[in-house]
Amino acid sequence: QVTVRESGPALVKPTQTLTLTCTFSGFSLTTSGMCVSWIRQPPGKALEWLALIDWDDEKYYSTSLKNRLTISKDTSKNQVVLTMTNMDSDDTATYYCARTRNRHLDYWGQGTLVTVSS
Amino acid sequence: NFMLTQPHSVSESPGKTVTISCTRSSGSIGSNYVQWYQQRPGSAPTTVISEDNQRASGVPDRFSGSIDSSSNSASLTISGLKTEDEADYYCQSYNSRSPVVFGGGTKLTVL
Repeated sequence: QVTVRESGPALVKPTQTLTLTCTFSGFSLTTSGMCVSWIRQPPGKALEWLALIDWDDEKYYSTSLKNRLTISKDTSKNQVVLTMTNMDSDDTATYYCARTRNRHLDYWGQGTLVTVSS
Repeated sequence: NFMLTQPHSVSESPGKTVTISCTRSSGSIGSNYVQWYQQRPGSAPTTVISEDNQRASGVPDRFSGSIDSSSNSASLTISGLKTEDEADYYCQSYNSRSPVVFGGGTKLTVL
């Protein structure tokens, strides 16, 4: 059974760095073809893909946010970490992680709401 | 890179059929698979269609997906509409440079 869960702070201050952790079970990021994506959704707005890391440690980033994002994995802990620097009120959103296979996001976490406010 | 354009909203009556389009701005729609996700308020997205036309497990056969090369678009069709189908629907595809591209989402109202 595949499960995916996001964790991180609910509130960050402007200019701070956000660190989110995706903890998963039921699959391994050492398996060929396996990936994990991060996606966010501002309140009332559309889904926005942020980053993806694959089994071979290849990393992909949203063009518009690549200068602020870093994705990494710890296969021993079954975790993927996303950091986003210089947080702003526009970054207030629900952040999701999802298992991704063949570019299909097939298992999603419940999401974690991050509010940026002083 | 490319964009996926969806109508902002569609509405239809229970029992009717509705089609949601997803138009790819550049590159062939048929060159990469299209997925469709359903998102109900307060919940994470779930897959309804993967690989252009494959229904996800547990999704009723009222849901179908297709692609049309002439319009460079994908479509999600829901027949026999039920009030429980009311949700936001997102298409998603990719290419070699961008592993995940979402459409802007379509709000389906069943009235």
